[in-house]
Amino acid sequence: GESVGLHLPTLSVQEGDNSIINCAYSNSASDYFIWYKQESGKGPQFIIDIRSNMDKRQGQRVTVLLNKTVKHLSLQIAATQPGDSAVYFCAENYGQNFVFGPGTRLSVLP
Amino acid sequence: KAGVTQTPRYLIKTRGQQVTLSCSPISGHRSVSWYQQTPGQGLQFLFEYFSETQRNKGNFPGRFSGRQFSNSRSEMNVSTLELGDSALYLCASSLIGNDDSPLHFGNGTRLTVT
Repeated sequence: GESVGLHLPTLSVQEGDNSIINCAYSNSASDYFIWYKQESGKGPQFIIDIRSNMDKRQGQRVTVLLNKTVKHLSLQIAATQPGDSAVYFCAENYGQNFVFGPGTRLSVLP
Repeated sequence: KAGVTQTPRYLIKTRGQQVTLSCSPISGHRSVSWYQQTPGQGLQFLFEYFSETQRNKGNFPGRFSGRQFSNSRSEMNVSTLELGDSALYLCASSLIGNDDSPLHFGNGTRLTVT
């Protein structure tokens, strides 16, 4: 499949453990944030979003935390599974279009 | 509901040629955005169309252009191809645009320029 990023930061976790993927965003005026998952050969897939009036939001096995003070976003994945192996991107929206972070490659070890 | 569809899936072109990529958004979505993805630069915004009008544009040269049709389908065109245009081109649709609507991506068109 296509290579999403050859020199991405990589996070390796044991299957069943929790994963935490971090993202520093750039603009303090950003008011909407999304986490995407991209598997090899596919486009980014929406995971979860959060607006700036919240600091935490939970989905199925995933939690997003937003710290506006330090412009930091994190994605927590509970009980990480082999199918979670992918590249994860955060995206911020300020004004008129989304700006994407460089991505983190999550590798799940058996 | 069908997702975002991009055609073709793969393209190989020669420097100097031009190329047209196609995107069909999710039914009911009126905004279509295009992104270029490369290992070195990541996801870079090209432009966004809404109601057949280009509403936003990224920092790409004029060789990159696009359009949107009345049924919300979109095409992007790259003229006078350069080696550096080799990339995965992603189309994303959303309900009303980049104002708090999540983007839904297609699987992209992989363009290789030789």
